[in-house]
Amino acid sequence: DGGITQSPKYLFRKEGQNVTLSCEQNLNHDAMYWYRQDPGQGLRLIYYSQIVNDFQKGDIAEGYSVSREKKESFPLTVTSAQKNPTAFYLCASTPVDRLVSDYSNQPQHFGDGTRLSIL
Amino acid sequence: AQSVAQPEDQVNVAEGNPLTVKCTYSVSGNPYLFWYVQYPNRGLQFLLKYITGDNLVKGSYGFEAEFNKSQTSFHLKKPSALVSDSALYFCAVRDIGLTGGGNKLTFGTGTQLKVEL
Repeated sequence: DGGITQSPKYLFRKEGQNVTLSCEQNLNHDAMYWYRQDPGQGLRLIYYSQIVNDFQKGDIAEGYSVSREKKESFPLTVTSAQKNPTAFYLCASTPVDRLVSDYSNQPQHFGDGTRLSIL
Repeated sequence: AQSVAQPEDQVNVAEGNPLTVKCTYSVSGNPYLFWYVQYPNRGLQFLLKYITGDNLVKGSYGFEAEFNKSQTSFHLKKPSALVSDSALYFCAVRDIGLTGGGNKLTFGTGTQLKVEL
């Protein structure tokens, strides 16, 4: 079955440590996204990528970094500069409508998330 | 700028009764609107979307939503609630007038739906 796989499901970070969250999709989607979910705050966009080797900052990019070396993969690194990393992290992807080059009406498909906590 | 508001943190309804989860939006142009559902420790699942055309949109699991341009609302409805509908529901908006931004959605803060026997 096609879908988005996020790993690990639970992750613990020590003080001063960088950690990387994995996101892999086999949906052949061009666009991928990382969100942070905190209770009562909805989803906030961290980074997104529309094509391989290109990505853009979202609303809360500080303290995070990403890479997009392959279409299928969009890993997120939570750096030691992110002082409040405890949250539920969600990865998503969107297909592109090649005929009109407009994928903004396509729903985003989500993985099952990674819950990051501080040790 | 685009924004969305879900005025109720929680909605309680008895099984078999109709349910409504409210959503209002603000965009400078026309909107694309989406509803998602989230079960505990899971990702979001797409329920339905409004792009254009019919104001009443039908989606998965018997849910529907009504687009009201004059009231800038997109309320989620279901005629008869089930206990299994209990979950967190998110409304999201995309301003069609925005260029670029890669399908950037703005999500509401979510409404917890609790359906009781």
